[in-house]
Amino acid sequence: QVQLVESGGGVVQPGRSLRLSCAASGFTFTSYAMHWVRQAPGKGLEWVAVIPYDGSNTDYADSVKGRFTISRDNSKNTMYLQLNSLRAEDTAVYYCAKVLGDYSSPYSFDFWGQGTLVTVSS
Amino acid sequence: DIVMTQSPDSLAVSLGERATINCKSSQSVLYSSNNKNYLAWYQQKPGHPPNLLIYWASTRESGVPDRFSGSGSGTDFTLTISSLQAEDVAVYYCQQYYSTPLTFGGGTKVEIK
Repeated sequence: QVQLVESGGGVVQPGRSLRLSCAASGFTFTSYAMHWVRQAPGKGLEWVAVIPYDGSNTDYADSVKGRFTISRDNSKNTMYLQLNSLRAEDTAVYYCAKVLGDYSSPYSFDFWGQGTLVTVSS
Repeated sequence: DIVMTQSPDSLAVSLGERATINCKSSQSVLYSSNNKNYLAWYQQKPGHPPNLLIYWASTRESGVPDRFSGSGSGTDFTLTISSLQAEDVAVYYCQQYYSTPLTFGGGTKVEIK
């Protein structure tokens, strides 16, 4: 069965960095685009970034562009999100999500991880 | 960016009654070349990640009870729960995946009256 397990969250000071990981299993990781979505405490869902199945043409929300970097290691079935220059407003649960269909076309998210909490506070 | 507007923000429905949630996009999410609406609905219960209910605006995800249905096209969409059950208490989100940045509606909280 599909499993997505996020890790790497924690409490970090403003301006510092953090790297999140999403370990995937139960499906052919190399065939699917993957996304990060975040949810601030008590708030709605905000899309953060996408990485295609082959790691090319990544894309980001304007709120994180230039500060966050999405990547993947297909040999390890793992996706990453490097968070730099963190701000208080980046405080959220960060979810990784798998798309419904393989390869390049846009799809909805059929599986989500349980999330990892990032708290940015001095 | 495509703005997704959900209504109402919350609703309380009696058990066994119908619940209707609306979602409007600021531009069409219908892709003319394949006649598909790039619109999904998710259910989120407290402390849990979202769960996909409906994709392509009206296709029910495997394992989702048939009391959940999606309809609409272009810019106006509806999620209907035909007979509300206690386990349906949750927040529901619509999402467009037509173009990046992918965007979600603000959510609709469904409670039991």
